[in-house]
Amino acid sequence: GAVVSQHPSWVICKSGTSVKIECRSLDFQATTMFWYRQFPKQSLMLMATSNEGSKATYEQGVEKDKFLINHASLTLSTLTVTSAHPEDSSFYICSARRDTPGELFFGEGSRLTVL
Amino acid sequence: GEDVEQSLFLSVREGDSSVINCTYTDSSSTYLYWYKQEPGAGLQLLTYIFSNMDMKQDQRLTVLLNKKDKHLSLRIADTQTGDSAIYFCAVSNSGNTPLVFGKGTRLSVIA
Repeated sequence: GAVVSQHPSWVICKSGTSVKIECRSLDFQATTMFWYRQFPKQSLMLMATSNEGSKATYEQGVEKDKFLINHASLTLSTLTVTSAHPEDSSFYICSARRDTPGELFFGEGSRLTVL
Repeated sequence: GEDVEQSLFLSVREGDSSVINCTYTDSSSTYLYWYKQEPGAGLQLLTYIFSNMDMKQDQRLTVLLNKKDKHLSLRIADTQTGDSAIYFCAVSNSGNTPLVFGKGTRLSVIA
């Protein structure tokens, strides 16, 4: 089946540093990818919609300068958390939509811990 | 906007059937999904149903859709301890819109 890979799966960084998380669709092309954030014991919150070759569309309340999204190819989208702070610690999950109606595939998630 | 509701907890005995319920508000929802999340892991697509279907069965899983009541359910037959996880209901009203998730139902299976 279709696979979406996220890297790194776990990252610990110091406050003030930037962290990049990659989301790759390994065996299909994905014009559209989504980035979600999951807080402990809570559901997923959509952060932004990433479209290949264009600017990402951010949800209300998500700082675009804080969470930089780049969808440079049909198989790769990146999320960069800039100047990370402890409150940015969370589980970040990406999903990629294949050109099959409605099918979304999720990555395994990346757990970010900011010290 | 769309609102998706699920009960937060469900506890069943091993071997029994589990039924996880979900309600949504947008009657134009077209794609309806069930995802499973095991501790520390990402989401695993279990099954999905289109709005032109009433039921879908896949091995131990049965999805029922009541469009009139905007109610979706996931039945797991012969529930096993390995089924213990959080189950998310998610809906979308087109192939190009992101999913709206419920808060997830934590299923605990008692041996």
